[in-house]
Amino acid sequence: SQQGEEDPQALSIQEGENATMNCSYKTSINNLQWYRQNSGRGLVHLILIRSNEREKHSGRLRVTLDTSKKSSSLLITASRAADTASYFCATDGNQGGSEKLVFGKGTKLTVNP
Amino acid sequence: EAQVTQNPRYLITVTGKKLTVTCSQNMNHEYMSWYRQDPGLGLRQIYYSMNVEVTDKGDVPEGYKVSRKEKRNFPLILESPSPNQTSLYFCASSSIGEKLFFGSGTQLSVL
Repeated sequence: SQQGEEDPQALSIQEGENATMNCSYKTSINNLQWYRQNSGRGLVHLILIRSNEREKHSGRLRVTLDTSKKSSSLLITASRAADTASYFCATDGNQGGSEKLVFGKGTKLTVNP
Repeated sequence: EAQVTQNPRYLITVTGKKLTVTCSQNMNHEYMSWYRQDPGLGLRQIYYSMNVEVTDKGDVPEGYKVSRKEKRNFPLILESPSPNQTSLYFCASSSIGEKLFFGSGTQLSVL
């Protein structure tokens, strides 16, 4: 089934650096969401960006969406050790709502103090 | 506090012994869903429900059942668990078209 794919699979940076994660998907979407997961815990919603939006900000997070390339990026600025987690993109496959929200495999981010 | 509550957090069982993982939300959400998470495979949707008495299959429904008799509850039932159902399970809920709220997860081991 249609699925977002995150890139890279793993990313290791130093505290204070910026972290960029990318997501590519296959079919048209209504919206794309980013979630964060601390090891083995439930996912926490970060940002939802709709197909008619190109960029969205929330604190140190910046998400872009390019529907022509079917891709999105998540930028975390001035990273902290507490940002260490896995990050997932999820797309709704243009079926409306979140009933078929499909998740990618995630990017594992490690921020070294 | 708005939350999705899953129980149990950890469960070890044997092949063929029926089990139920409970999920409850206190946000009056219409939509509820079950996912399983396996290394290298990400989250895969098992079943979802758009409202009371309305359920539908996700991408990996085989071997699972669900019911939605009340809006707040969405239990996941494994009638005859097998070792390939060993996984980390998550329940989630949302208003239609909005962000998902996840439970803390249930780590299931089937021996």
